[in-house]
Amino acid sequence: NAGVMQNPRHLVRRRGQEARLRCSPMKGHSHVYWYRQLPEEGLKFMVYLQKENIIDESGMPKERFSAEFPKEGPSILRIQQVVRGDSAAYFCASSPNSGQQETQYFGPGTRLLVL
Amino acid sequence: GQNIDQPTEMTATEGAIVQINCTYQTSGFNGLFWYQQHAGEAPTFLSYNVLDGLEEKGRFSSFLSRSKGYSYLLLKELQMKDSASYLCAQTGANNLFFGTGTRLTVIP
Repeated sequence: NAGVMQNPRHLVRRRGQEARLRCSPMKGHSHVYWYRQLPEEGLKFMVYLQKENIIDESGMPKERFSAEFPKEGPSILRIQQVVRGDSAAYFCASSPNSGQQETQYFGPGTRLLVL
Repeated sequence: GQNIDQPTEMTATEGAIVQINCTYQTSGFNGLFWYQQHAGEAPTFLSYNVLDGLEEKGRFSSFLSRSKGYSYLLLKELQMKDSASYLCAQTGANNLFFGTGTRLTVIP
């Protein structure tokens, strides 16, 4: 049973470009979470999605960031007009159900570097 | 948000026992997770505690005291491969609140 898949693993963008990060949850999981990890900092929650729905985006920056989880295909985290401060590791996690006791399983992350 | 506090770094000797402490905000508590994260890799699930007491899983054990807002992860018979960051995380409404992690270095 494949784990959470993320691609690309590494992404380099110049300031002002767009970054698209993809996440395929574990088989049978319909709940996806995105976290950002800045150097020397802990993982910070960004957004929680179910298929075709954004449930909680309280951790998303108000501008330039968006996320989706379509009926078919992976979840996408999109960052428009990237700036150097967006350089970080972006982790996706999935769970089979919702609920505060559900274990979240993490993917390997996408490391974004903005030049 | 939650205030998760854990030591930044620890060093221990191969074969020894190490305890990594974590304190958290007690209001609205719904459970506490420990994850292991090797450099450049995904966090992997170690344990979940929601009731007081000790949960043992092989060489790893996790303890919780809800009244004190305190948890620890106990690693026994340390191996070199246990060198990693250990992340304490408290459950929120729809997410996990993570501490900055404790970077453990195991030395021969």
